[in-house]
Amino acid sequence: DAGITQSPRHKVTETGTPVTLRCHQTENHRYMYWYRQDPGHGLRLIHYSYGVKDTDKGEVSDGYSVSRSKTEDFLLTLESATSSQTSVYFCAISEPLGQGNAFFGQGTRLTVV
Amino acid sequence: GQNIDQPTEMTATEGAIVQINCTYQTSGFNGLFWYQQHAGEAPTFLSYNVLDGLEEKGRFSSFLSRSKGYSYLLLKELQMKDSASYLCAVRVDNYGQNFVFGPGTRLSVLP
Repeated sequence: DAGITQSPRHKVTETGTPVTLRCHQTENHRYMYWYRQDPGHGLRLIHYSYGVKDTDKGEVSDGYSVSRSKTEDFLLTLESATSSQTSVYFCAISEPLGQGNAFFGQGTRLTVV
Repeated sequence: GQNIDQPTEMTATEGAIVQINCTYQTSGFNGLFWYQQHAGEAPTFLSYNVLDGLEEKGRFSSFLSRSKGYSYLLLKELQMKDSASYLCAVRVDNYGQNFVFGPGTRLSVLP
């Protein structure tokens, strides 16, 4: 199994507060992604990174920011959490060599009340 | 835009064969992936197609027709543990390695 760790695994937070989710990998993969998964929508890309300090927006990036200061860490920040950001968040990694399929972390269940 | 369609739910009997279809219309194509996701868990990689045709891996096979924008995942000799969601995903470009996922098909295997 790919070495990807997400923290925290569960979090309940109040509307308007900032929240940071962490993704840590031990695979030295170049690409890292943050997705959210909601019923009826599947996995939707929030932001991704193709290297240290190189990030770009995905399909649903409003209200989110990311940072990648080291190859192994990719942080997702909700600047001011809203109830619409209640979701399950998955981090994923991939490497452009070979098939390049994505490996996923175990997910973070975030509830904004 | 990007659009990937899959049936929402399917039901099949233990020991049977089931085919899960996926159609896609995307801005680019650099491979089609199938993932399995059990409830409350992370998606895990099942199969990959980049050329037309059938790829077989044990009880699982995946087919791709790029001209039709169509793929299917075939599961044989169904087992109870195959009850899960199956996600179809297209990698739309090589530079960004961007994956676009379908909504997933929830498969229930009944005894």
